[in-house]
Amino acid sequence: DAKTTQPTSMDCAEGRAANLPCNHSTISGNEYVYWYRQIHSQGPQYIIHGLKNNETNEMASLIITEDRKSSTLILPHATLRDTAVYYCIVSNNNNDMRFGAGTRLTVKP
Amino acid sequence: GAVVSQHPSWVICKSGTSVKIECRSLDFQATTMFWYRQFPKQSLMLMATSNEGSKATYEQGVEKDKFLINHASLTLSTLTVTSAHPEDSSFYICSARVPRTGTYEQYFGPGTRLTVT
Repeated sequence: DAKTTQPTSMDCAEGRAANLPCNHSTISGNEYVYWYRQIHSQGPQYIIHGLKNNETNEMASLIITEDRKSSTLILPHATLRDTAVYYCIVSNNNNDMRFGAGTRLTVKP
Repeated sequence: GAVVSQHPSWVICKSGTSVKIECRSLDFQATTMFWYRQFPKQSLMLMATSNEGSKATYEQGVEKDKFLINHASLTLSTLTVTSAHPEDSSFYICSARVPRTGTYEQYFGPGTRLTVT
């Protein structure tokens, strides 16, 4: 059973912020929200994760709603190299990462 | 970040032969590694969880006698596809869990593309 729901695809203009939403309405209290991306024919790349507070690193920001039922990954200045499939995953410390269909982000010049 | 490597990056084999894929954690020790399979235009599907020093745990529908997993050390797990057939052609990806305080991040290898002719 899918634990997250993401739009199938999104477009973003180069240089603009890309905001990728994810719904995880059945998330448990001990589950984290993880984001990975996969560029064609490569292994998934870790982006960021969080529990309930917003997080930021050199790649992206993660905004988690107060009720934790949804989150948004923000790429502040998208480049053509950010074109990839982005996966939102919820998992606790004892579980593995199970991938849904993800969102195919296309950054356009 | 943590680095996971796979070898080979691609392999072509004849139907009926066996192929071994290696997964290594280069700068950390991984008590738990995972093997995924990805068919074209599909998402990653978890095949099995590999724990160092013990038997792997296979997902439902994955034949354990066909996909042999060995996790003999804290930095190496191997997946052997035995008696490979064309339908086993796929992109195989491993990952390793990095234990940190509070969370367990997983880092993925670059994948191995297997083509069975």
